[in-house]
Amino acid sequence: GEDVEQSLFLSVREGDSSVINCTYTDSSSTYLYWYKQEPGAGLQLLTYIFSNMDMKQDQRLTVLLNKKDKHLSLRIADTQTGDSAIYFCAEKRGAGNMLTFGGGTRLMVKP
Amino acid sequence: DAGVIQSPRHEVTEMGQEVTLRCKPISGHNSLFWYRQTMMRGLELLIYFNNNVPIDDSGMPEDRFSAKMPNASFSTLKIQPSEPRDSAVYFCASSGAAGFHEQYFGPGTRLTVT
Repeated sequence: GEDVEQSLFLSVREGDSSVINCTYTDSSSTYLYWYKQEPGAGLQLLTYIFSNMDMKQDQRLTVLLNKKDKHLSLRIADTQTGDSAIYFCAEKRGAGNMLTFGGGTRLMVKP
Repeated sequence: DAGVIQSPRHEVTEMGQEVTLRCKPISGHNSLFWYRQTMMRGLELLIYFNNNVPIDDSGMPEDRFSAKMPNASFSTLKIQPSEPRDSAVYFCASSGAAGFHEQYFGPGTRLTVT
């Protein structure tokens, strides 16, 4: 199975909060990332968190990391239709630059 | 900065033809990655270069696929001969030296093999 797992789909109403979840298996992960992919485009880095942090906030985005449970989440406050996209979590292990990506969660925001 | 540049953006070719995808990483970045994205398999890492040297090519599907990085500002991914199952979006990404770990993705090349 995949080392990084995400649910496939999430639907929310405009203005609500969205929470996208991710689980990973490697306890040696040093950085964890969230990327956004809009239709027809490449992946865009949204934010990342270092493994010794529990939380990181950046405007409408809040990342929570539970290292014990190997669980990462991305909360988007006041979700807008422009937030509709596929969201990928990824982990970096060790000193190398390779990332392991999850399968992506498609977020649909209904007006 | 212009970001990661890929060409062509779209490629349609017939089965058996050679296909070459091109990538220019962000200036100063020393790691380059080729990914393939399909509905069935998601995002797959094909090959990873560091300082122009291939580090991990375990994701390259078969011998029909080859990648080169002749210098720090250019890489190619070649498929010869191409097959319909190679149809996918191919992304190139680059990242900087140690301590600068984020990967920046290009817009992708959508390949259709008929």
